[in-house]
Amino acid sequence: NAGVTQTPKFRILKIGQSMTLQCTQDMNHNYMYWYRQDPGMGLKLIYYSVGAGITDKGEVPNGYNVSRSTTEDFPLRLELAAPSQTSVYFCASTPDGLAKNIQYFGAGTRLSVL
Amino acid sequence: KQEVTQIPAALSVPEGENLVLNCSFTDSAIYNLQWFRQDPGKGLTSLLLIQSSQREQTSGRLNASLDKSSGRSTLYIAASQPGDSATYLCAGDQTGANNLFFGTGTRLTVIP
Repeated sequence: NAGVTQTPKFRILKIGQSMTLQCTQDMNHNYMYWYRQDPGMGLKLIYYSVGAGITDKGEVPNGYNVSRSTTEDFPLRLELAAPSQTSVYFCASTPDGLAKNIQYFGAGTRLSVL
Repeated sequence: KQEVTQIPAALSVPEGENLVLNCSFTDSAIYNLQWFRQDPGKGLTSLLLIQSSQREQTSGRLNASLDKSSGRSTLYIAASQPGDSATYLCAGDQTGANNLFFGTGTRLTVIP
């Protein structure tokens, strides 16, 4: 059972470049989330989705975009990468809202913008 | 704005000791609370979930409690082992929200 899979694991971008972080889950979960974790800090929510075709902003959405065309996939797009976006990005999913379920996390994508 | 503090930031103990990790929220209106474990270079693994109607959860050597009146949670680890070495994060959500507020973590090292 693969769970939540993120690709790539590592990436270095130049300022102004763009890229897409991939996230896929095989557990048929409705809810999916993107977080970023800066060194020595807690995770902060970027965007989340409650189902295919529905997305909403989290705490720190600026500079990012998402889409949710299928239940399985929730890609995160960075346009015009900036050094402030250097971070570790985590994707997570739950089968329902936070109330009764545990979040399952991917292994993360470590991104450096130079 | 919800802020989550975890104390201590780092902890080193000899194997076999019992220990307590602390987590506090500036806004005590926490609905559900989770404790996670994070190993270096890995994602987060959920350890315990305290749901809105609960005050405590136990799993093996781990026990977590939540005091909703103060917005404080503790994670108790009994008879610590070297394999417990990791960073432990707490996270809470508030009623009607889809946002988990994470603490900055406690880095635990258990010395054999």
